[in-house]
Amino acid sequence: GIQVEQSPPDLILQEGANSTLRCNFSDSVNNLQWFHQNPWGQLINLFYIPSGTKQNGRLSATTVATERYSLLYISSSQTTDSGVYFCAANTGFQKLVFGTGTRLLVSP
Amino acid sequence: DTGVSQNPRHKITKRGQNVTFRCDPISEHNRLYWYRQTLGQGPEFLTYFQNEAQLEKSRLLSDRFSAERPKGSFSTLEIQRTEQGDSAMYLCASGHTGNTIYFGEGSWLTVV
Repeated sequence: GIQVEQSPPDLILQEGANSTLRCNFSDSVNNLQWFHQNPWGQLINLFYIPSGTKQNGRLSATTVATERYSLLYISSSQTTDSGVYFCAANTGFQKLVFGTGTRLLVSP
Repeated sequence: DTGVSQNPRHKITKRGQNVTFRCDPISEHNRLYWYRQTLGQGPEFLTYFQNEAQLEKSRLLSDRFSAERPKGSFSTLEIQRTEQGDSAMYLCASGHTGNTIYFGEGSWLTVV
């Protein structure tokens, strides 16, 4: 099945800094989503982005399907951005397979 | 806006007992998924339904685990004869085929 890898595994930022999180996947995808897992464990949808670029406030994402990677950009980071960011993908409309996540800590 | 609802949110049980979790998906979503997550790991797929049909089960889902989705609405995940290794957060998600999936808040299980 599809393999999903994320980097970096951990990231520490000062408030106000920008960051880029990367997700590599091993096969062509039908679905690719980015999630933020908050400290209470809930997975919050950030983007549904099997291809192209989307923006939502300080967050944006780009997926280059032909090169099998996706990037999540966080600009002007805030302490509330802390948590774990997951990328998940599937092929053939099957189950989503999750990466191991990037743990982000934004300090004041 | 009624999102995916999971109950109970927390469950502590003694080893060997049975537990059941319920998931109410977003209405009209035809797909429903169960995942399990342990500390420091990403969610791992357990099983999914399209309407009432269970289409795939992970090898993680031993014969002590059973999931149902009668009438294609809510779903239950039952764990029989719980073991300490079953301690985890159990996540439910729903969506339409080929579209965004949405997760509930999860059900935390602690087996003592």
